[in-house]
Amino acid sequence: AQKITQTQPGMFVQEKEAVTLDCTYDTSDQSYGLFWYKQPSSGEMIFLIYQGSYDEQNATEGRYSLNFQKARKSANLVISASQLGDSAMYFCAMRERPNTGNQFYFGTGTSLTVIP
Amino acid sequence: GAGVSQSPSNKVTEKGKDVELRCDPISGHTALYWYRQSLGQGLEFLIYFQGNSAPDKSGLPSDRFSAERTGGSVSTLTIQRTQQEDSAVYLCASSRRTSLGEQFFGPGTRLTVL
Repeated sequence: AQKITQTQPGMFVQEKEAVTLDCTYDTSDQSYGLFWYKQPSSGEMIFLIYQGSYDEQNATEGRYSLNFQKARKSANLVISASQLGDSAMYFCAMRERPNTGNQFYFGTGTSLTVIP
Repeated sequence: GAGVSQSPSNKVTEKGKDVELRCDPISGHTALYWYRQSLGQGLEFLIYFQGNSAPDKSGLPSDRFSAERTGGSVSTLTIQRTQQEDSAVYLCASSRRTSLGEQFFGPGTRLTVL
């Protein structure tokens, strides 16, 4: 089974609108971390936001927020007030057993295009 | 520089040749990861180093792939007898052990095997 599933290969959003990028995960661990990364066309991977499995509040970081629904094992990224510079690939990732190092599992990504 | 650096940025090689890819992590970061990203795909974990512990090699796709990390800093990923299916972008990332674990990525090495 896929550890991280991103079902939207491509998304379009109008500038200044909000957009939600879906991510579901699969783990039997109680302790894990969820991450979102942005990869612009330049290729660099940029860390956006983190949610720990024990965090009760949804993580927020500027215009980014993570809609964490633990029972549904989903960790959707919400980008508010989209900007042209938000056009990029977005990857959801999970690390099981945080602070022990181990593997990060990445989804296949969602390509977001912001339309002026 | 302050970020993760990788060299070369691009490498074109002939099938059957060996290649070495280098990663210089952020100073003070004890964890180092190698990933492979094929065209249009997500990241495939290859290998993980944490301090002086034995590396987690569980993601290496074959025995043609190996990696080492000297002095807990610079890492080299070696691919022997390259095949066309090895063509991909190889990304290196580092993180601080005591942080929440976010990884800082290098710009990658684009490998093309002809």
